[in-house]
Amino acid sequence: GEQVEQLPSSLIVQEGASVLINCSYTDSASVYFPWYKQEPGKRLQFIIDIRSNMERKQTQRLTLLFDKKTKHLSLHITATQPGDSAIYFCSADNAGAKLTFGGGTRLTVRP
Amino acid sequence: DTTVKQNPRYKLARVGKPVNLICSQTMNHDTMYWYQKKPNQAPKLLLFYYDKILNREADTFEKFQSSRPNNSFCSLYIGSAGLEYSAMYLCASMTGRDTGQLYFGEGSKLTVL
Repeated sequence: GEQVEQLPSSLIVQEGASVLINCSYTDSASVYFPWYKQEPGKRLQFIIDIRSNMERKQTQRLTLLFDKKTKHLSLHITATQPGDSAIYFCSADNAGAKLTFGGGTRLTVRP
Repeated sequence: DTTVKQNPRYKLARVGKPVNLICSQTMNHDTMYWYQKKPNQAPKLLLFYYDKILNREADTFEKFQSSRPNNSFCSLYIGSAGLEYSAMYLCASMTGRDTGQLYFGEGSKLTVL
C-alpha cells in the first residue's frame, strides 16, 4: 500500500524565517495530496492541497510544489509566526477516498 | 457548521472490556472515517463508510467494528480492549466518494489499563 514519508520530523525557527517541509510517497496511483495542520490541543485542519495534474499551488504564505516524476512534494512557509507552531501532515489519496498520512513535522516558531 | 463532534473525548477502559466511540457530523457528508493516532506516528486509517458501505483496512479488519445508523452518526467499537489500543481515535468526514478535504473531530483519547 501507499507509504508517505516526511522530513524533517521537527523544526525550530525564529519568527520571520521561512521553512521547507519535504514529503515523498510511493504509490504512483495517488492523485491528490492534501496537507493538514494540528495546533496544540486542536483538531487537524486542512491547509492546502494539490492534484497530480498541477506542479505548484500557492495560498497566502504557503506554497506547495509537486514533482510527479520523483513522487515528491514540498511545503514552503514564508514569514513564519508563532501561530504557525503546529504539527504539519502530508497525505496522499489514490482517488479511492483512502488518505495515507505521513508521520508529521513538528514546527516551533520562536518569537 | 463544519463541525465533527466526537464522544467521549476521554475514555478509560480495562483490558478485555468493550469500548464504543461515537462521531457525528451535520454537514450531510457521504463519507465518514476512523483513524487511530499514536504519539509521534502518522494517523492510521482503520475503516471508512461511503454512505452505508463499510470499508475496513485489512490489518485491522478483525479488531474494530463500526456502524452507521444514519448519515450523521458513525461509531467505532472495540469488543475487547488491549493495551495496544491506547491511542487517540480521530473521526473525519468528507463529502462525496472521491478526493476532497477531510473535516476532523477533536478526537477521543482512549487509555486502556
